[in-house]
Amino acid sequence: DTGVSQNPRHKITKRGQNVTFRCDPISEHNRLYWYRQTLGQGPEFLTYFQNEAQLEKSRLLSDRFSAERPKGSFSTLEIQRTEQGDSAMYLCASSLSGGNRGGYTFGSGTRLTVV
Amino acid sequence: SQKIEQNSEALNIQEGKTATLTCNYTNYSPAYLQWYRQDPGRGPVFLLLIRENEKEKRKERLKVTFDTTLKQSLFHITASQPADSATYLCALDLGNTGNQFYFGTGTSLTVIP
Repeated sequence: DTGVSQNPRHKITKRGQNVTFRCDPISEHNRLYWYRQTLGQGPEFLTYFQNEAQLEKSRLLSDRFSAERPKGSFSTLEIQRTEQGDSAMYLCASSLSGGNRGGYTFGSGTRLTVV
Repeated sequence: SQKIEQNSEALNIQEGKTATLTCNYTNYSPAYLQWYRQDPGRGPVFLLLIRENEKEKRKERLKVTFDTTLKQSLFHITASQPADSATYLCALDLGNTGNQFYFGTGTSLTVIP
């Protein structure tokens, strides 16, 4: 098992463009989470899936953000019409149900820069 | 609203000493509290979890305490080493939702050889 994989590692995009990130969780983990982290801050919860169902979505997540997890395996996070304020590290994590007992496994993140 | 506070300033300690990091929270009654380590440019790495009915948890050189009356957790690294230099994050869950965690801002620790 290679852990949680995120692609790309870095993305630079012009304001107004759409971007999509991918996360491949640990294969036996049924829960998947997206967090956003800016410099000097802790990760902020965005959304989470159990299998293919998106069960919670933060109020921080504007309508420009959408996440999917088809077939309960990998997940994608899309940001439409990017803004400079979207520049951040986007982290994906996975766990088993009841994973709060054992912690999340995070990927290395995708660093987004909007210019 | 909920608030999680960690040591606001970076912590520098001498190698071999014990590092103590704090995590204070308000307006929460978390069932679980976790500590993570994060290195620059990497995702957080899970270290320890402590439940609300546990006062203390240990793992090798790490020790975590959880005082639900004070609404505080302390994270100790004994016999610190330069390799322990990193940012340490505490995270709380509400225990009754689907695993939505709130993270503190983290404390940067530097162990000086």
